[in-house]
Amino acid sequence: AQKVTQAQTEISVVEKEDVTLDCVYETRDTTYYLFWYKQPPSGELVFLIRRNSFDEQNEISGRYSWNFQKSTSSFNFTITASQVVDSAVYFCALSVLMDTGRRALTFGSGTRLQVQP
Amino acid sequence: EAQVTQNPRYLITVTGKKLTVTCSQNMNHEYMSWYRQDPGLGLRQIYYSMNVEVTDKGDVPEGYKVSRKEKRNFPLILESPSPNQTSLYFCASTPRGPVSGANVLTFGAGSRLTVL
Repeated sequence: AQKVTQAQTEISVVEKEDVTLDCVYETRDTTYYLFWYKQPPSGELVFLIRRNSFDEQNEISGRYSWNFQKSTSSFNFTITASQVVDSAVYFCALSVLMDTGRRALTFGSGTRLQVQP
Repeated sequence: EAQVTQNPRYLITVTGKKLTVTCSQNMNHEYMSWYRQDPGLGLRQIYYSMNVEVTDKGDVPEGYKVSRKEKRNFPLILESPSPNQTSLYFCASTPRGPVSGANVLTFGAGSRLTVL
């Protein structure tokens, strides 16, 4: 069975601080994909990044960066110089293809980030 | 604009009163899915559909029905809603489901349902 753990339920930082959101996953599959989604207060889900299991390169996009480590089954997300607009719930998700042909996308429970001005 | 549209966005109903949440996508996606979001549990899959007339259960299908008569529509039906179905519901679609787990889901804006 697949599992995604986001141990940090809520994080509060002051603007301009760096913050890292942790994501630990479990799967027996060798081929899988990892995602991060953002859910701002308005409620919609916004795709941030996708990473496949064969690509361990870290990625940077502006103030956002992701650290994928297969050795520790982690896919952590760092926001540098946080801003109030970063306040949201962030979900990590794991996608595997099951024997039945079903595409199982398992979400973590989410981390609520509050950035104080 | 490419999007997934859900209606209604907000609904308060009473136990046992049948309701339908509609979902429509304009991207010609084959794969569609319903999720519910509950505090501390993240998003859990209710049902999914890999194409027209092909649907299957997700992780939490009890109390729900779906149908896929047209490619663009995937309604979620609660035949006899109960208070434990109070939740935030999301519809999502992606071009192809079973071929790869890589496809990014496009989500609707969400439907907040309260069952009294």
